Amino acid sequence: EAGVAQSPRYKIIEKRQSVAFWCNPISGHATLYWYQQILGQGPKLLIQFQNNGVVDDSQLPKDRFSAERLKGVDSTLKIQPAKLEDSAVYLCASSSNPTAGELFFGEGSRLTVL
Amino acid sequence: GENVEQHPSTLSVQEGDSAVIKCTYSDSASNYFPWYKQELGKRPQLIIDIRSNVGEKKDQRIAVTLNKTAKHFSLHITETQPEDSAVYFCAASPHISGGYQKVTFGIGTKLQVIP
Repeated sequence: EAGVAQSPRYKIIEKRQSVAFWCNPISGHATLYWYQQILGQGPKLLIQFQNNGVVDDSQLPKDRFSAERLKGVDSTLKIQPAKLEDSAVYLCASSSNPTAGELFFGEGSRLTVL
Repeated sequence: GENVEQHPSTLSVQEGDSAVIKCTYSDSASNYFPWYKQELGKRPQLIIDIRSNVGEKKDQRIAVTLNKTAKHFSLHITETQPEDSAVYFCAASPHISGGYQKVTFGIGTKLQVIP
C-alpha cells in the first residue's frame, strides 16, 4: 500500500514570497490533515478535511494560509505572503477513520523562510 | 480546545532500563489517546493507542496507562534498546462537531537510550 505522498520535500524562500505544498493521501482515506511542526515542538493542526469539505480550520492563519481539496483526494496548502515564523515542517496526514484512528503521515515538506 | 502537556522534554536512560513519559490533557471529552514515535528526519508513526474505556494496554515492550479521573496517561517502555531513541509524542482526541476526531499533540519527549 502506497503511503502519503508530499512534495516538495524542501523549499527555501524569502519572506513575503509565496509557496505551495501538495499532498496525496492513501487511497480511500477520506480524512486529510495538514499539520505544522516547528522545530522542537509537536505537530499543530492547521486544517482538517473530510472528503472535500473543511471540518476544522480554527488554527489556520487565514490571512496568509489557504488550503483546498477540490476533488476529495489530493490537497494543496498555500502560504502567501510567507513570514519568518512560518519556517517549519508541514506534515500531511490521512486517516480512514474520521472518528478515532491512526493518522498516517507523509514525510513532510520542510520550509525555510529567509 | 484541548491542551496536552507532556514531560519530560528530554530523557536519557541506559540500555535495558525502563523509560516513562507522562501526559496530561484538559478536555474531559477526549476519548482516544495515541502515541507517536518520530525518528530523526522521519515521519511520526503510531506505536500504541488507548481508548477511554480501558485503563491499560500492552504491546510487547511498550504499555500505556490511562487515568480518566486525573486526566493523565503515560507511556512505559521496558528493556529499552538503542533503536528506541526517538522523539515520542502523546496526543489526545475529543470529538468535534459532526463526530470527527481532532488530534492534539504534546510537545514531545526526546528519548536517548545509551548503549
